[in-house]
Amino acid sequence: KAGVTQTPRYLIKTRGQQVTLSCSPISGHRSVSWYQQTPGQGLQFLFEYFSETQRNKGNFPGRFSGRQFSNSRSEMNVSTLELGDSALYLCASSLPGQGGLGAGYTFGSGTRLTVV
Amino acid sequence: GEDVEQSLFLSVREGDSSVINCTYTDSSSTYLYWYKQEPGAGLQLLTYIFSNMDMKQDQRLTVLLNKKDKHLSLRIADTQTGDSAIYFCAESSGSSGTYKYIFGTGTRLKVLA
Repeated sequence: KAGVTQTPRYLIKTRGQQVTLSCSPISGHRSVSWYQQTPGQGLQFLFEYFSETQRNKGNFPGRFSGRQFSNSRSEMNVSTLELGDSALYLCASSLPGQGGLGAGYTFGSGTRLTVV
Repeated sequence: GEDVEQSLFLSVREGDSSVINCTYTDSSSTYLYWYKQEPGAGLQLLTYIFSNMDMKQDQRLTVLLNKKDKHLSLRIADTQTGDSAIYFCAESSGSSGTYKYIFGTGTRLKVLA
Protein backbone atom coordinates (compact mmCIF):
# COMPACT_ATOMS: atom_id res chain seq x y z
CA LYS A 1 0.00 0.00 0.00
CA ALA A 2 1.15 3.55 -0.68
CA GLY A 3 3.09 5.29 2.06
CA VAL A 4 2.73 8.80 3.38
CA THR A 5 3.18 11.25 0.51
CA GLN A 6 4.45 14.76 1.04
CA THR A 7 4.61 17.41 -1.63
CA PRO A 8 6.63 19.20 -2.71
CA ARG A 9 9.93 17.54 -1.76
CA TYR A 10 11.90 20.75 -1.98
CA LEU A 11 10.92 24.39 -1.77
CA ILE A 12 12.80 27.67 -1.80
CA LYS A 13 11.01 30.78 -0.61
CA THR A 14 12.03 34.30 0.33
CA ARG A 15 11.48 35.96 3.67
CA GLY A 16 8.00 37.33 4.13
CA GLN A 17 6.36 34.91 1.73
CA GLN A 18 3.95 32.21 2.77
CA VAL A 19 4.06 28.52 1.94
CA THR A 20 1.67 25.57 1.93
CA LEU A 21 2.85 22.00 2.33
CA SER A 22 0.73 18.95 1.63
CA CYS A 23 0.54 15.49 3.18
CA SER A 24 -1.48 12.48 2.07
CA PRO A 25 -1.59 9.82 4.79
CA ILE A 26 -1.70 6.08 4.37
CA SER A 27 -5.16 4.93 3.39
CA GLY A 28 -7.16 4.29 6.55
CA HIS A 29 -4.98 6.47 8.74
CA ARG A 30 -7.05 9.34 10.08
CA SER A 31 -4.51 10.99 12.33
CA VAL A 32 -1.90 13.26 10.77
CA SER A 33 0.88 14.95 12.72
CA TRP A 34 3.43 17.49 11.57
CA TYR A 35 6.99 17.91 12.83
CA GLN A 36 9.73 20.39 12.11
CA GLN A 37 13.23 18.94 11.97
CA THR A 38 16.30 21.15 12.23
CA PRO A 39 19.91 20.23 13.04
CA GLY A 40 19.91 22.32 16.18
CA GLN A 41 16.47 21.57 17.61
CA GLY A 42 15.84 18.03 16.45
CA LEU A 43 12.22 17.04 15.91
CA GLN A 44 9.70 19.53 17.19
CA PHE A 45 6.01 18.73 17.23
CA LEU A 46 3.86 21.23 15.37
CA PHE A 47 0.31 19.87 15.51
CA GLU A 48 -1.88 16.85 15.06
CA TYR A 49 -5.14 16.56 13.18
CA PHE A 50 -7.81 13.93 13.52
CA SER A 51 -11.18 13.95 11.77
CA GLU A 52 -10.55 17.45 10.42
CA THR A 53 -9.95 18.83 13.93
CA GLN A 54 -6.72 19.97 15.49
CA ARG A 55 -6.28 17.69 18.49
CA ASN A 56 -2.84 18.62 19.79
CA LYS A 57 -0.60 21.61 19.23
CA GLY A 58 3.06 22.27 19.90
CA ASN A 59 4.75 25.51 20.90
CA PHE A 60 4.96 27.28 17.58
CA PRO A 61 3.81 30.82 16.75
CA GLY A 62 0.49 31.47 15.08
CA ARG A 63 2.26 31.85 11.72
CA PHE A 64 2.17 28.07 11.60
CA SER A 65 -1.25 26.65 10.90
CA GLY A 66 -2.76 23.56 9.42
CA ARG A 67 -5.92 21.86 8.40
CA GLN A 68 -7.21 18.45 7.49
CA PHE A 69 -9.72 17.55 4.84
CA SER A 70 -12.48 14.96 4.91
CA ASN A 71 -10.25 12.49 3.03
CA SER A 72 -7.65 12.86 5.84
CA ARG A 73 -5.21 14.73 3.62
CA SER A 74 -3.58 17.56 5.53
CA GLU A 75 -1.92 20.83 4.70
CA MET A 76 0.24 23.08 6.79
CA ASN A 77 0.78 26.73 6.09
CA VAL A 78 3.52 29.04 7.24
CA SER A 79 2.94 32.76 6.74
CA THR A 80 5.48 35.58 6.81
CA LEU A 81 8.42 33.23 6.46
CA GLU A 82 11.57 33.83 8.46
CA LEU A 83 15.07 32.51 7.83
CA GLY A 84 14.71 30.31 10.93
CA ASP A 85 11.81 28.47 9.34
CA SER A 86 14.25 26.68 7.06
CA ALA A 87 13.86 23.03 8.01
CA LEU A 88 12.69 19.61 6.97
CA TYR A 89 8.95 19.39 7.61
CA LEU A 90 7.80 15.87 8.28
CA CYS A 91 4.29 14.56 8.21
CA ALA A 92 3.36 11.35 10.02
CA SER A 93 0.15 9.40 9.92
CA SER A 94 -1.21 6.81 12.28
CA LEU A 95 -4.34 4.86 12.95
CA PRO A 96 -6.88 6.72 15.04
CA GLY A 97 -5.26 7.41 18.38
CA GLN A 98 -2.46 4.94 17.67
CA GLY A 99 0.38 7.41 17.41
CA GLY A 100 0.78 7.15 21.14
CA LEU A 101 -0.43 3.63 21.60
CA GLY A 102 2.30 1.42 20.29
CA ALA A 103 1.71 1.24 16.57
CA GLY A 104 3.79 4.35 16.10
CA TYR A 105 3.88 6.70 13.20
CA THR A 106 4.51 6.21 9.52
CA PHE A 107 6.49 9.17 8.29
CA GLY A 108 6.66 10.75 4.88
CA SER A 109 10.00 11.71 3.34
CA GLY A 110 9.44 15.33 4.23
CA THR A 111 9.48 18.69 2.51
CA ARG A 112 12.79 20.51 2.68
CA LEU A 113 12.00 24.21 2.97
CA THR A 114 14.73 26.77 2.47
CA VAL A 115 14.00 30.41 3.25
CA VAL A 116 16.40 32.92 1.70
CA GLY B 1 9.30 19.64 31.10
CA GLU B 2 9.72 16.18 29.68
CA ASP B 3 12.93 15.49 27.83
CA VAL B 4 14.56 12.67 25.88
CA GLU B 5 18.35 12.67 25.58
CA GLN B 6 20.72 10.77 23.36
CA SER B 7 24.41 10.99 22.57
CA LEU B 8 25.03 12.61 19.20
CA PHE B 9 27.45 10.22 17.53
CA LEU B 10 28.48 6.58 17.54
CA SER B 11 31.03 4.91 15.33
CA VAL B 12 31.46 1.13 15.08
CA ARG B 13 33.19 -1.36 12.80
CA GLU B 14 31.19 -3.54 10.47
CA GLY B 15 30.30 -6.81 12.17
CA ASP B 16 30.52 -5.39 15.68
CA SER B 17 27.50 -4.70 17.88
CA SER B 18 26.20 -1.16 18.26
CA VAL B 19 24.52 0.09 21.40
CA ILE B 20 22.61 3.35 21.24
CA ASN B 21 21.45 4.79 24.53
CA CYS B 22 18.61 7.08 25.50
CA THR B 23 17.36 8.58 28.74
CA TYR B 24 13.95 10.10 29.31
CA THR B 25 12.32 11.96 32.12
CA ASP B 26 8.59 11.27 31.83
CA SER B 27 7.76 8.56 34.35
CA SER B 28 4.30 8.14 32.84
CA SER B 29 5.67 6.98 29.47
CA THR B 30 3.49 4.29 27.95
CA TYR B 31 5.52 3.26 24.94
CA LEU B 32 9.11 3.85 23.92
CA TYR B 33 10.22 3.71 20.32
CA TRP B 34 13.24 3.55 18.12
CA TYR B 35 13.13 5.16 14.71
CA LYS B 36 15.75 5.17 11.96
CA GLN B 37 16.29 8.02 9.53
CA GLU B 38 18.39 7.52 6.42
CA PRO B 39 19.65 10.50 4.39
CA GLY B 40 16.88 12.30 2.53
CA ALA B 41 14.16 10.20 4.09
CA GLY B 42 11.59 10.40 6.83
CA LEU B 43 11.75 8.37 10.01
CA GLN B 44 11.11 4.65 9.90
CA LEU B 45 9.76 2.87 12.96
CA LEU B 46 12.20 0.10 13.89
CA THR B 47 10.72 -1.25 17.07
CA TYR B 48 8.91 -0.24 20.22
CA ILE B 49 8.53 -1.51 23.74
CA PHE B 50 5.67 -1.21 26.18
CA SER B 51 6.68 0.38 29.44
CA ASN B 52 5.95 -2.73 31.54
CA MET B 53 8.47 -4.78 29.56
CA ASP B 54 12.19 -4.78 30.14
CA MET B 55 13.40 -6.39 26.96
CA LYS B 56 12.27 -6.97 23.41
CA GLN B 57 14.18 -8.78 20.68
CA ASP B 58 13.47 -8.52 16.98
CA GLN B 59 16.03 -10.22 14.74
CA ARG B 60 19.24 -8.19 15.03
CA LEU B 61 17.63 -5.60 17.29
CA THR B 62 17.42 -5.85 21.07
CA VAL B 63 15.71 -3.17 23.13
CA LEU B 64 16.42 -2.95 26.83
CA LEU B 65 14.35 -0.80 29.16
CA ASN B 66 15.35 0.13 32.69
CA LYS B 67 12.27 1.89 33.92
CA LYS B 68 13.76 2.70 37.32
CA ASP B 69 16.61 4.64 35.71
CA LYS B 70 14.47 5.77 32.76
CA HIS B 71 17.07 4.36 30.41
CA LEU B 72 16.40 2.79 27.03
CA SER B 73 18.94 1.18 24.73
CA LEU B 74 18.97 -0.27 21.25
CA ARG B 75 21.50 -2.96 20.45
CA ILE B 76 22.14 -3.80 16.81
CA ALA B 77 23.96 -7.09 16.39
CA ASP B 78 26.36 -7.67 13.47
CA THR B 79 26.14 -4.02 12.40
CA GLN B 80 26.26 -3.50 8.64
CA THR B 81 27.13 -0.45 6.55
CA GLY B 82 23.44 -0.19 5.68
CA ASP B 83 22.74 0.50 9.35
CA SER B 84 24.48 3.87 9.05
CA ALA B 85 21.76 6.39 9.81
CA ILE B 86 20.38 8.62 12.54
CA TYR B 87 18.51 6.75 15.28
CA PHE B 88 15.83 8.49 17.28
CA CYS B 89 14.45 7.42 20.59
CA ALA B 90 10.91 8.57 21.36
CA GLU B 91 8.45 8.18 24.16
CA SER B 92 4.72 8.59 24.33
CA SER B 93 2.35 8.96 27.19
CA GLY B 94 -1.32 9.69 27.73
CA SER B 95 -4.30 8.13 26.04
CA SER B 96 -6.04 8.36 22.70
CA GLY B 97 -6.66 11.98 21.87
CA THR B 98 -4.50 13.38 24.64
CA TYR B 99 -1.17 11.66 24.20
CA LYS B 100 2.20 13.33 24.01
CA TYR B 101 5.02 12.15 21.82
CA ILE B 102 8.58 13.37 22.42
CA PHE B 103 11.62 12.59 20.31
CA GLY B 104 15.25 12.60 21.30
CA THR B 105 17.80 14.59 19.33
CA GLY B 106 19.00 11.52 17.45
CA THR B 107 22.25 9.52 17.43
CA ARG B 108 24.20 9.42 14.20
CA LEU B 109 25.58 5.92 13.73
CA LYS B 110 28.51 5.53 11.39
CA VAL B 111 29.52 2.01 10.43
CA LEU B 112 33.10 1.63 9.24
CA ALA B 113 33.85 -1.04 6.67
